[in-house]
Amino acid sequence: AQSVTQLDSHVSVSEGTPVLLRCNYSSSYSPSLFWYVQHPNKGLQLLLKYTSAATLVKGINGFEAEFKKSETSFHLTKPSAHMSDAAEYFCVVRKGGGNKLTFGTGTQLKVEL
Amino acid sequence: GAVVSQHPSWVICKSGTSVKIECRSLDFQATTMFWYRQFPKQSLMLMATSNEGSKATYEQGVEKDKFLINHASLTLSTLTVTSAHPEDSSFYICSARDQESLGYEQYFGPGTRLTVT
Repeated sequence: AQSVTQLDSHVSVSEGTPVLLRCNYSSSYSPSLFWYVQHPNKGLQLLLKYTSAATLVKGINGFEAEFKKSETSFHLTKPSAHMSDAAEYFCVVRKGGGNKLTFGTGTQLKVEL
Repeated sequence: GAVVSQHPSWVICKSGTSVKIECRSLDFQATTMFWYRQFPKQSLMLMATSNEGSKATYEQGVEKDKFLINHASLTLSTLTVTSAHPEDSSFYICSARDQESLGYEQYFGPGTRLTVT
């Protein structure tokens, strides 16, 4: 079975400083990994995905993530936080090309002036 | 981009009544749609997988007679919460898989907040 662990339930950064949201995964198979963002009372928006191609994945809004098999990690980063980045972020794993997505518990990102 | 809508966005109903939530893929066809439930401050839990023209597949612990799913067309799936009770109050989110997408992409709807009084 696959799972993801988001190491921080809350992260607070100042506007203009780097963002790091941590995610570790566990999977018996070659996984597909995703990061989604959810703004209050809104659905989920895909930020980026890893599907066994390049290990450094670039997504929307300046976010990127690096797949590190040796560390079983898929941390999300952004060089400079913006106020609009404040939201809930979910790390998600999918086994191969299957349907089922397994969500992490989420990280609430707060961006302060 | 692919858009998924849900209706209603929020609903309040009395205990014992039934509520239907619609999930539509607006610009693509989806043979497979998914229903998730999200409790406050928690993650999404998959409830069931909805397949067009066939019965839904429910996750362990989800009552199929309570959460009725119908996927009558390639763009519409419905979730009916029957005989709703306050513990059914939650945020229900659907997603739809673009059958033309090689990456099996799932696109999420904006969610429906159900409050049972």
